[in-house]
Amino acid sequence: EVQLVESGGGLVQPGGSLRLSCAASGFTFSSYWMSWVRQAPGKGLEWVANIKQDGSEKYYVDSVKGRFTISRDNAKNSLYLQMNSLRAEDTAVYYCARERIENLYDSSGYYLDYWGQGTLVTVSS
Amino acid sequence: EIVLTQSPATLSLSPGERATLSCRASQSVSSYLAWYQQKPGQAPRLLIYDASNRATGIPARFSGSGSGTDFTLTISSLEPEDFAVYYCQQRSNWPLYTFGQGTKLEIK
Repeated sequence: EVQLVESGGGLVQPGGSLRLSCAASGFTFSSYWMSWVRQAPGKGLEWVANIKQDGSEKYYVDSVKGRFTISRDNAKNSLYLQMNSLRAEDTAVYYCARERIENLYDSSGYYLDYWGQGTLVTVSS
Repeated sequence: EIVLTQSPATLSLSPGERATLSCRASQSVSSYLAWYQQKPGQAPRLLIYDASNRATGIPARFSGSGSGTDFTLTISSLEPEDFAVYYCQQRSNWPLYTFGQGTKLEIK
């Protein structure tokens, strides 16, 4: 059974830092692109970042570029999101998600087929 | 940046009725569109990928159609558990993704 379990959320002051973790199990973690998606309270979904299987490529939504860093440790089946210079508008539930593989010949990500339950990050003084 | 606009924002229907949700892209996304369902307090669930393919375990009452800029999610006969928020998502410029703002399907 595929499982994704996020941790590391909490209350942080504006300008502060936080590191989120996502523990993966039930699949070959190193074979998949992985993403972070967030959802502000009462709002819609926003894709935040993703990372290639070997960690060699990383992409971000413009609003977090230069402040957030996505990384992974395939030996530990774990995904991370380092969040620096946090702002009030970063307050959200953060989900990690696996990117679906379309076929054996294409290692690209095709949408998000498994999601964790999320971890809440609150940025407030 | 590709913008996805969903309509209506809220749809009020009764169980057994047919639901039609729309997602319009600001430029062509080919067939690179997915639909997700999210219930309160839960993570989203992938329903439809590549515009018209049901994800694993999704009931046949859910169907997707469209290509280019106009897409539709249809629920043929609403069950009580289908009342939720639905999001579309595009991967035309993958590795980047964008989501629509969501449509809330509520019980009338």
